Amino acid sequence: EPEVTQTPSHQVTQMGQEVILRCVPISNHLYFYWYRQILGQKVEFLVSFYNNEISEKSEIFDDQFSVERPDGSNFTLKIRSTKLEDSAMYFCASSVGVISDEQFFGPGTRLTVL
Amino acid sequence: AQRVTQPEKLLSVFKGAPVELKCNYSYSGSPELFWYVQYSRQRLQLLLRHISRESIKGFTADLNKGETSFHLKKPFAQEEDSAMYYCALALTQGGSEKLVFGKGTKLTVNP
Repeated sequence: EPEVTQTPSHQVTQMGQEVILRCVPISNHLYFYWYRQILGQKVEFLVSFYNNEISEKSEIFDDQFSVERPDGSNFTLKIRSTKLEDSAMYFCASSVGVISDEQFFGPGTRLTVL
Repeated sequence: AQRVTQPEKLLSVFKGAPVELKCNYSYSGSPELFWYVQYSRQRLQLLLRHISRESIKGFTADLNKGETSFHLKKPFAQEEDSAMYYCALALTQGGSEKLVFGKGTKLTVNP
């Protein structure tokens, strides 16, 4: 059964460094998402992406964040200059469509900012 | 504001006992609600959605618009049901859909 994959599983970085989190959505899916979960808190929406552009972004998704679909398979989240508070689990998800279509989640990347 | 509340952080029951995981939502529109489950060391996966009115692994959830609730129930809990359960509200806007999650309830089913 096809799955969403994410790399790396764990990323440790120094504050101020740039990180790129990578995701490979399910191949026939058209909608892509990033969520994050700070330890002990709820899963929060960051951004949705369709047709090579951002559909919606949350207040968390400020100028330090960007997303890209550089080729036909990868979907990346870049954090330009990481802060301590960016430490979290980052989940990628994809869906065929919207309107109650199931979002399939990746296993997550744990980002630790020191 | 749109919000999902899961009042119980932890819930512990014995095998064979009924279980109910509570979920309340705040949303002015017509809600689309889901339950996601995360078993130990596994990814978030969809358990059920209210529009399909199905029973998955013995779990059911009924949308009660009057009480703004979408509680998850199972008459006889099994040990393999131990997991984190997240209630989520789907918000559709401008051609995209995002999920608003509750904080989750950790269910432990004891032997």
